[in-house]
Amino acid sequence: DGGITQSPKYLFRKEGQNVTLSCEQNLNHDAMYWYRQDPGQGLRLIYYSQIVNDFQKGDIAEGYSVSREKKESFPLTVTSAQKNPTAFYLCASSIGTGGSYEQYFGPGTRLTVT
Amino acid sequence: AQKITQTQPGMFVQEKEAVTLDCTYDTSDQSYGLFWYKQPSSGEMIFLIYQGSYDEQNATEGRYSLNFQKARKSANLVISASQLGDSAMYFCAMRGRRRYSSASKIIFGSGTRLSIRP
Repeated sequence: DGGITQSPKYLFRKEGQNVTLSCEQNLNHDAMYWYRQDPGQGLRLIYYSQIVNDFQKGDIAEGYSVSREKKESFPLTVTSAQKNPTAFYLCASSIGTGGSYEQYFGPGTRLTVT
Repeated sequence: AQKITQTQPGMFVQEKEAVTLDCTYDTSDQSYGLFWYKQPSSGEMIFLIYQGSYDEQNATEGRYSLNFQKARKSANLVISASQLGDSAMYFCAMRGRRRYSSASKIIFGSGTRLSIRP
């Protein structure tokens, strides 16, 4: 079945360590996105990518980095510079970035940094 | 700047009743699309319904319909005959497109937590 996978579902790290969250899609979508969700709040865009080898900062990119070397993969690295990294991270993809293209979401990764 | 406002942080509804979740938006884009997503306690985001700014008719998908009032900049979600499985967070979202730009992104509201009483 086609879809988006994120692993692991729960991730624990010590403060000061970088951590990479994986996101893989087999929907043949061009665009991919990373969102952060804090408890009781909506989604905030971290980074998005319209095509391979291209990505743009979203609203809260500081302390995060991404790469898009393959169409299927869009990993997110939470660096030690991110002051409050504990959150729920959602990856999404869409056919394109315009019009009526809805985003399909992965199951999310809950990151806890202590 | 684009903005989505959901003024109802939480709602309680009796099973089988209809429910309306409010959403207002602000944008200066030439054209835009409005989306509603459902987020159960598992955390996944489930796409429910889409309305384009130039669509003349309100969108419907099964028990979901979107009450689109362009002049008032509102895009309320209506769920008919609510079920216990409808209990979840609901997010209104908007994607805009500026003239001559191919890039656009979706912004989300803060959500409404809907609880269905048996």
